[in-house]
Amino acid sequence: NAGVIQTPRHKVTGKGQEATLWCEPISGHSAVFWYRQTIVQGLEFLTYFRNQAPIDDSGMPKERFSAQMPNQSHSTLKIQSTQPQDSAVYLCASSLDQFSNERLFFGHGTKLSVL
Amino acid sequence: GDQVEQSPSALSLHEGTGSALRCNFTTTMRAVQWFRKNSRGSLINLFYLASGTKENGRLKSAFDSKERYSTLHIRDAQLEDSGTYFCAPRSGGNYKPTFGKGTSLVVHP
Repeated sequence: NAGVIQTPRHKVTGKGQEATLWCEPISGHSAVFWYRQTIVQGLEFLTYFRNQAPIDDSGMPKERFSAQMPNQSHSTLKIQSTQPQDSAVYLCASSLDQFSNERLFFGHGTKLSVL
Repeated sequence: GDQVEQSPSALSLHEGTGSALRCNFTTTMRAVQWFRKNSRGSLINLFYLASGTKENGRLKSAFDSKERYSTLHIRDAQLEDSGTYFCAPRSGGNYKPTFGKGTSLVVHP
């Protein structure tokens, strides 16, 4: 079991460019979560999916951020027109089941740097 | 998050000593998970408890759903225990996992 896989590990973009972050949850896990980690804000919830359906995107900035889960094996977080304040470590996590087994497993994260 | 109050926010220990971290919850939670963020920024699973206590080496955690708190005890602290510790209570259903603001632990020689 390779755990939650996030790619790339590091991404550097110029201001105004688009960034796409990938997450492969643990096989068989039905819930996938995205978080953003910064020194100032700590661990911020962004969005999550259960059985590929979006459940709660209340943490997503309304503009420029979008998340998809086209199949059970991967999810993407897309940031359009990146800004310096988007710089952070973006973490993906999965859990077996949102109801009976809620233990979260995190990937190593993608460090996004917007210049 | 607003549902979780984690304390202390920072902690300094000498090697070989111990202490306790605490999370208080504003509502009843089904379970709690504890993590340590290591120097590379990865969140390492420490414990997942739906009740009672669990122990792993020098770490021990307790969860009391009725009293709305969880603790993480560290004994015989080592330098490699340094890092930020987070608790994440789970309320079940379609509720997003919330995290405490973390306890930054530094272990000194």
